[in-house]
Amino acid sequence: TQLLEQSPQFLSIQEGENLTVYCNSSSVFSSLQWYRQEPGEGPVLLVTVVTGGEVKKLKRLTFQFGDARKDSSLHITAAQPGDTGLYLCAGHGSGNTGKLIFGQGTTLQVKP
Amino acid sequence: SQTIHQWPATLVQPVGSPLSLECTVEGTSNPNLYWYRQAAGRGLQLLFYSVGIGQISSEVPQNLSASRPQDRQFILSSKKLLLSDSSFYLCAWSYGNYGYTFGSGTRLTVV
Repeated sequence: TQLLEQSPQFLSIQEGENLTVYCNSSSVFSSLQWYRQEPGEGPVLLVTVVTGGEVKKLKRLTFQFGDARKDSSLHITAAQPGDTGLYLCAGHGSGNTGKLIFGQGTTLQVKP
Repeated sequence: SQTIHQWPATLVQPVGSPLSLECTVEGTSNPNLYWYRQAAGRGLQLLFYSVGIGQISSEVPQNLSASRPQDRQFILSSKKLLLSDSSFYLCAWSYGNYGYTFGSGTRLTVV
């Protein structure tokens, strides 16, 4: 069974600080995705990383896929209150059904 | 553009009552469809997925069932709800290994 472990589970920081969220597995994934979810809403896709070692940037967010495609990280620079939410990593399991396996999520609170 | 509709947004049902949650997708054809359940502030648990009309795969044994009567319609059902069925239910669609698009979710409370 493929599992994704996220850390930390909860993070509370002040506005302007930097942070990194980690997503780790013992399995290889063909791709990893990061989603952000606000309370009472569905998750929204932020980015997909496909190639080992790949780095993608989305404004103040930097996403990296591990060389072995078993882990990923999300780094936020100068966090803002609008970054508050639940961040989920997800990877595609084996087979061609497109099923996503989700990590348990990291709840981020950015205080003004 | 593709859109996904999920309703109702909130639902309060008594124990033992039936359940029917509906999800429809517009602007696409033959999508993969998914039902997930999510505990508060936690990750998503895959309940059912479908790659075509009438094709349903169940991921975990439970008190729920799913059906896909039309290409872009996915229904989550229960004959008799349990207290433990209270959760946040999410429908999603995708093509192959591309990203998911989620509905806005249904908050189900069984009382």
